[in-house]
Amino acid sequence: QKEVEQNSGPLSVPEGAIASLNCTYSDRGSQSFFWYRQYSGKSPELIMFIYSNGDKEDGRFTAQLNKASQYVSLLIRDSQPSDSATYLCAVTTGGFKTIFGAGTRLFVKA
Amino acid sequence: EAQVTQNPRYLITVTGKKLTVTCSQNMNHEYMSWYRQDPGLGLRQIYYSMNVEVTDKGDVPEGYKVSRKEKRNFPLILESPSPNQTSLYFCASSSPGSGDNEQFFGPGTRLTVL
Repeated sequence: QKEVEQNSGPLSVPEGAIASLNCTYSDRGSQSFFWYRQYSGKSPELIMFIYSNGDKEDGRFTAQLNKASQYVSLLIRDSQPSDSATYLCAVTTGGFKTIFGAGTRLFVKA
Repeated sequence: EAQVTQNPRYLITVTGKKLTVTCSQNMNHEYMSWYRQDPGLGLRQIYYSMNVEVTDKGDVPEGYKVSRKEKRNFPLILESPSPNQTSLYFCASSSPGSGDNEQFFGPGTRLTVL
């Protein structure tokens, strides 16, 4: 059974701090890695995607991928209360078959 | 407006009564997928389709059927719903040519089977 594991949290950080969200996956054939944000009662929306080892930055968000360790992370700098949500890690092995982690709840305290 | 729509948004039904949840996208996406979301389990893929008349099972296909007769529509069929299919369902679409293969999600359908 291919798996994607996330710490369920909740992760609580003060406003302005860095939030670090982690994800591990079991299938070494995984090719694409995504971070989605889901507000309570809403549908998921894409934050970041990453395909290659290393870091990818987009504004306050940085995704990090280490395929050797089967690990992907999301850093949120200067965290804001509006970042409070559940963050879902998703992995695809090619095509459209996608496995999501259970999500990490993030609370940013004002 | 580019969007994925689902109907109905809320549905309460009884065990064994066949139902269909519709999904439609207006972005000309090739890929479409159905997920269910349960507390503590995250999103689990039920079925996906890579194009018209091409469907494949996800991780939890038991008790569900799908069809893809048109590119824009991907209905989810529960022939004999059971209480363990009570869940929040999301339809999603994406295009392999988009570069990031971002999935666009519908608003969700909350299904309760009594």
